[in-house]
Amino acid sequence: GENVEQHPSTLSVQEGDSAVIKCTYSDSASNYFPWYKQELGKGPQLIIDIRSNVGEKKDQRIAVTLNKTAKHFSLHITETQPEDSAVYFCAASSTRKGSARQLTFGSGTQLTVLP
Amino acid sequence: DVKVTQSSRYLVKRTGEKVFLECVQDMDHENMFWYRQDPGLGLRLIYFSYDVKMKEKGDIPEGYSVSREKKERFSLILESASTNQTSMYLCASSSPTGLENTIYFGEGSWLTVV
Repeated sequence: GENVEQHPSTLSVQEGDSAVIKCTYSDSASNYFPWYKQELGKGPQLIIDIRSNVGEKKDQRIAVTLNKTAKHFSLHITETQPEDSAVYFCAASSTRKGSARQLTFGSGTQLTVLP
Repeated sequence: DVKVTQSSRYLVKRTGEKVFLECVQDMDHENMFWYRQDPGLGLRLIYFSYDVKMKEKGDIPEGYSVSREKKERFSLILESASTNQTSMYLCASSSPTGLENTIYFGEGSWLTVV
């Protein structure tokens, strides 16, 4: 099955700096790569995703890049703000039975933005 | 907005008790999931269901069962709770139609087994 590795496990940056979180996956059949943000006491929320036919996607201060050959993808947050502090999870997905898309998650990155 | 509601946010149960975790979604999604979240391990899939009365094992089904009698409701059952099942449990739903197929999560249920 799929295996997703995520680094680093913790990341501290100064407000206004950039943050980068990296993930690798093992299954070449995976074709969808979402990123989730989980704030304290809440469930994960989708913040951006990318499909395997695209190399990069951007949404305001966040961007995701995908290298299918190397099987890795990254989350980039620019101009970080204190409200960006949260746990971020990457995931990789292929389609399973009944079209249920199963996500395999990385272990998470605790991002702290220091004021 | 999609709403996935987990009725119990915090539970404390004794070893050997039968535990029910309930989840309801209001978007008529076909697919529903139960994940377990533990520090350093990320989210791991326990079971999923792609239709009413249908269920499939995920990566860590041992010690759990599920029930989906209605499309909007997906229950996780711990037949005999053990201390190693102390964790946060996340329910999620998605629809297979269209390109998005986004998975939406509930707020989580914190279960402590003593």
